[in-house]
Amino acid sequence: EVQLVESGGGLVQPGGSLRLSCAASGFTFTIYWVTWVRQAPGKGLEWVANINQDGSEKYYVDSVKGRFTISRDNAKNSLYLQMNSLRAEDTAVYYCARALYTDGGLWGQGTLVTVSS
Amino acid sequence: QAVLTQPPSVSAAPGQKVTISCSGSSPNIGNNYVSWYQQFPGTAPKLLIYDNNKRPSGIPDRFSGSKSGTSATLGITGLQTGDEADYYCGTWDDSLSAGVFGGGTKLTVL
Repeated sequence: EVQLVESGGGLVQPGGSLRLSCAASGFTFTIYWVTWVRQAPGKGLEWVANINQDGSEKYYVDSVKGRFTISRDNAKNSLYLQMNSLRAEDTAVYYCARALYTDGGLWGQGTLVTVSS
Repeated sequence: QAVLTQPPSVSAAPGQKVTISCSGSSPNIGNNYVSWYQQFPGTAPKLLIYDNNKRPSGIPDRFSGSKSGTSATLGITGLQTGDEADYYCGTWDDSLSAGVFGGGTKLTVL
């Protein structure tokens, strides 16, 4: 089955760290740009970061620059998001998505990150 | 505040047509293709339209997209109650070197 499955979400204190994972299956992971998108409770979608096929290009939204790091392991068909110095405003459902803007677009089911003391 | 501007809500009767606008600027909509996404409560978004006006396989032709200058429009004809959802536009922004979305539009089929 063609799918993306996120994991690693949970409750973390402000200032803490969390690493999200996204496991790809059923398709050739290595040919796609992949993206993290988040959605705060009751709010709209926010683009977070993306990475190209071999990991040599990475882009971030300003609000996470210097705190979040996107990476991928093509041997494991996996995408990651290392999140440091977490803030309350980072609380959201985090989705991974392949081919965000093109045919073949696919989203995972999301993983909830809650930053609270 | 979202970089792309959408109306917060639209509504129409079953069987009717509705359009949802998405307004941006030169670095984003003006220079790049626009995509549209549909999201039902509690579920992940789904790609509806890509490259301004193309539909992925499985998306009915009741859904259409267009772009003119720095604005884009999603059209839905033959409205069904099952179309009630949130709709988002999205694209790349060359100035920000980041992706951007609209704030989302809630469609109500009366």
